[in-house]
Amino acid sequence: IQLTQSPSFLSATVGDRVSITCRASHDISSKLVWYQQKPGKAPNLLIYGASTLQSGVPSRFSGSGSGTEFTLTISSLQPDDSATYYCHQLKSYPITFGRGTRLEIK
Amino acid sequence: EVQLVETGGGLIQPGGSLRLSCAASGFTVNSNYMSWVRQAPGEGLEWVSVLYSDGFTYYADFVRGRFTISRDNFENTLYLQMNRLRAEDTAVYYCARGGPAAAPMDVWGKGTAVTVSS
Repeated sequence: IQLTQSPSFLSATVGDRVSITCRASHDISSKLVWYQQKPGKAPNLLIYGASTLQSGVPSRFSGSGSGTEFTLTISSLQPDDSATYYCHQLKSYPITFGRGTRLEIK
Repeated sequence: EVQLVETGGGLIQPGGSLRLSCAASGFTVNSNYMSWVRQAPGEGLEWVSVLYSDGFTYYADFVRGRFTISRDNFENTLYLQMNRLRAEDTAVYYCARGGPAAAPMDVWGKGTAVTVSS
């Protein structure tokens, strides 16, 4: 199952509402996860089951979607949100990642 | 504290072998799904393998037949035996708790770097 993320790069200002889209090549129900990764660090789980916020993740992060189209939204961008974001499907093997969206804070 | 620590990376010649270790603390490896994920320099994340608590394993096509995932319950450690290494296996290798839909990867190690080069 291929995952296509868009955009691949995003530049936004503190306080902005931003969205990242992930499209799956086949129906993956709600078996989608979002990760945040900062340079030189391991990925950090943000959202699982397409829309469930991982414990400890700020509530400005939210996920939506099912089937083949999913969205990660940051409601009010903070400086600490500068990172690369990956979607990840767990519907079937081989489990796959999107190519990532690099988010820059202006 | 729940933690994963990978070791065993380094510089290896093409065709060589390397064994990565991932020591877990704060939980037991044999009660969880455990995965390996890699990231080539400047590239995205790439799933490598998963080991179920019942011993079932899955591999990405590009490593099947060359890599073997295993665990030592006494040591509470996950392993990745990598044979017939290729230049394209150069990456940071992360171990993570979780894998399938029921248990997304929620705890990750800091990674260990593998460089395959002559």
